[in-house]
Amino acid sequence: EDQVTQSPEALRLQEGESSSLNCSYTVSGLRGLFWYRQDPGKGPEFLFTLYSAGEEKEKERLKATLTKKESFLHITAPKPEDSATYLCAVRSNDYKLSFGAGTTVTVRA
Amino acid sequence: NAGVTQTPKFQVLKTGQSMTLQCAQDMNHEYMSWYRQDPGMGLRLIHYSVGAGITDQGEVPNGYNVSRSTTEDFPLRLLSAAPSQTSVYFCASSYSGDGTDTQYFGPGTRLTVL
Repeated sequence: EDQVTQSPEALRLQEGESSSLNCSYTVSGLRGLFWYRQDPGKGPEFLFTLYSAGEEKEKERLKATLTKKESFLHITAPKPEDSATYLCAVRSNDYKLSFGAGTTVTVRA
Repeated sequence: NAGVTQTPKFQVLKTGQSMTLQCAQDMNHEYMSWYRQDPGMGLRLIHYSVGAGITDQGEVPNGYNVSRSTTEDFPLRLLSAAPSQTSVYFCASSYSGDGTDTQYFGPGTRLTVL
């Protein structure tokens, strides 16, 4: 059974204080690892897809990386508008998407 | 494009009542799915469809029915609501669902069963 574990559960940062979120996974054949952002009361919003170990993707202050067992979402010099819950998900060979419980990031000005 | 739309936004049911959560997308996506989101548990797949007329069960299908008569619509039916079905429900769609494309999520339906 595919498993996705995200850590930490919550992260409180000062504006400008860089940090990283972890997503560790076990999956029978990785077809893709996805990062989403979710704001309170809204649906998840797509950020990145990573397909193979060593791959990296960037968007503004966010950078996602992938190894064979985990993915990191690095937040560089965060701003208060980066406050959200960040979700990691993996899709395996049976095409089903398995989600982690998420990391809630709060950035204080 | 409106993207993925869901109605209603909020719903309160009594135990034993039935209802249908509506989901529609205007992106001509073949793959649609329903998830429930509970605190501390992440999103869990209920049912999914790879095209009109084709549906299959996900991780937590018990107590829910789906059908897919058109590409655009994918309603989720609660047959006899139970307090354990109190949750936030999200519908999602993607072009093909083959692992290489992005899933787009609706805004969610917050359901409370008393």
